[in-house]
Amino acid sequence: DAKTTQPPSMDCAEGRAANLPCNHSTISGNEYVYWYRQIHSQGPQYIIHGLKNNETNEMASLIITEDRKSSTLILPHATLRDTAVYYCIVRVGGSNQGGKLIFGQGTELSVKP
Amino acid sequence: GAVVSQHPSWVICKSGTSVKIECRSLDFQATTMFWYRQFPKQSLMLMATSNEGSKATYEQGVEKDKFLINHASLTLSTLTVTSAHPEDSSFYICSASQHEAFFGQGTRLTVV
Repeated sequence: DAKTTQPPSMDCAEGRAANLPCNHSTISGNEYVYWYRQIHSQGPQYIIHGLKNNETNEMASLIITEDRKSSTLILPHATLRDTAVYYCIVRVGGSNQGGKLIFGQGTELSVKP
Repeated sequence: GAVVSQHPSWVICKSGTSVKIECRSLDFQATTMFWYRQFPKQSLMLMATSNEGSKATYEQGVEKDKFLINHASLTLSTLTVTSAHPEDSSFYICSASQHEAFFGQGTRLTVV
C-alpha cells in the first residue's frame, strides 16, 4: 500500500471549515484513499473514501486531485466534537482485507471555541 | 454503519496471568478480522490477521505464542494475551470489514 504524508497537527476555529491535507504521491491506479478519525481512547471511526472522484457524505467531503497524488478532507463546519486524530490511508479497496490498514501518524486536529 | 463490539472495554490483571479480549461483528459476517495495538501518543500498529477456521497471520515482530488468536465463528475473534507483563499494557483494537473497516471501541489493558 502507498505511503501517505500528513501534517502532525492543525487548529481550526469552531464553526469554520477544517481542511486536512494528505499527500500520497506513490498511489497506484487501483488504490483508494480512506479517511478515519480517532477520538481519544476510542477505536477509529470511518469517515469517507474515494478513488478519483470527489466524494461527499453526511460527515465530510473528500477532494482528490486530478493526478491523485494528494487529497483534502473537508469538515464543513467543525465542532468541538471533531477534535481527533485524522488518518489518511491508501489501500486497495473492495475486499475482505479491508480492515488491514497501515496507519501513519495522522493529523491531530484541535477545534477551538 | 456496521457495528464491531469489543469486550471488555478495560481490564487490569496481574503479571503472569492471561487475559482474553473478544471482538464481535454484530450485524455482518466477517471471515477476516484484524487486531491492532496502540501505545500512548502513538499510532495503531497492526498485530495480526484473524482468519475464520484457520490460523492467524502475524505481523513481523509479534509473538504468536504470546498473543493467541482464535476465530471460531464468522462473528467472533478472540485475542488472548498470555503470561502478561507490564510492557503488554496497551490499547488493543480489533476491526472487521465489509467494504470499509469498522473498529471496535478498544480494550485498555493494564498489567500490574
